[in-house]
Parts: sequence; C-alpha cells; structure tokens
Amino acid sequence: EDQVTQSPEALRLQEGESSSLNCSYTVSGLRGLFWYRQDPGKGPEFLFTLYSAGEEKEKERLKATLTKKESFLHITAPKPEDSATYLCAVQGYGQNFVFGPGTRLSVLP
Amino acid sequence: DTEVTQTPKHLVMGMTNKKSLKCEQHMGHRAMYWYKQKAKKPPELMFVYSYEKLSINESVPSRFSPECPNSSLLNLHLHALQPEDSALYLCASSQDPYNEQFFGPGTRLTVL
Repeated sequence: EDQVTQSPEALRLQEGESSSLNCSYTVSGLRGLFWYRQDPGKGPEFLFTLYSAGEEKEKERLKATLTKKESFLHITAPKPEDSATYLCAVQGYGQNFVFGPGTRLSVLP
Repeated sequence: DTEVTQTPKHLVMGMTNKKSLKCEQHMGHRAMYWYKQKAKKPPELMFVYSYEKLSINESVPSRFSPECPNSSLLNLHLHALQPEDSALYLCASSQDPYNEQFFGPGTRLTVL
C-alpha cells in the first residue's frame, strides 16, 4: 500500500529563516511526486512535479528535491506570505494520488 | 489558463435536501476528480473520471452520485446527506490520469 508521511507537522519560522520540509514515501513504482500549497479554506495550489531521484525544481523561494525514499521542500528566506499548509502527494502505478498529512508553515514578520 | 471553477462556494443543506455541486475546466483535460477534505486533513479521493468514464469509485456512500456530462463539466449530486458529510469538496482536473492535478477553490458544504 502506498504511504506518505510529512514532517514536521507544524513549523514556525522567523521571516528570512530558511528551512526544509520533509516528505517520506513508500510506493509501488513512482510515477510522480507532487508538491502543493494550500491556504485555509481554499483548494491546493500546484507547485512542482518530480519524477526521478536526483531531480530538482525551483520556483521563487522554493526548491524541491527528490531521492528514492523522500523529497524535501527547501524554503529560502521565507516571507509571511509563504505561510500555508504544504502538501506532498505521490502517484504510483496504482494511479491514485496519495496525499501526506501536510506541514503547516507559519512565517512570522 | 490553469483554472478550475466550482459552484457554489458555500452550501448549507438539510439532511432531506437534494443539491448538486458543479465543476468546470477549459484546459482540455481528460481526467477530473472529486475530493473531500475535512479540517486539518489532506484531501480524500472520492471519484475519478477518465475520458468521461467513471474509472475509480473509492467506496463512497451512494448518497453521493457523480456525473460527467462532457469532458469539461463534472457534477456531484447530493441526497440525504449526514452532518458528518460537512466538509470542503474539491474538484480537480489533469491532462490525463498520470499528470499533476489542478484544483478548484472548493465548495464549503454544511449539512444541518
């Protein structure tokens, strides 16, 4: 059975304090690993897709990396507007997306 | 345009009501999804339509009935819901079943 865990559950950072979020997964053949950002009461916003170990993607202050067992979302010099829940999802050959529980990020000014 | 639209934004219904949620996308995507999300939980997959055919039904109660009138539209018909069905209902679409999914803003459903 495909499984995804994320850590930490919640993270509080000061503005400018860089950090990383972790997504660990077990899947029967990885088709893709996806990162989303979700603001309260809104739908998830797509950030990145990673397909194979060693792959990296960047967007503004965010950088996603992938190994065979986990993915990291690195946040460099975060701003208060980066505060959100960050969701990781994997898709194996079973086709369905399996979401992790998310990391709630708060960036304090 | 990577937009998925959902209506209504909010819905309050009694347990004996019949209502429908609507979802639309104009990205030419051929896979569409319904998810249910409770507070502080990740989205849970309910239904998948792939090329306008229901391909996955994740053992959802029959009081939820999906419909895909065409490749751009997705409906979720609701009947005799329970208070525990109150949640954020999300629609998503993807180019095909093997690509990233784009989510709509959701419908906040409250069952009294």
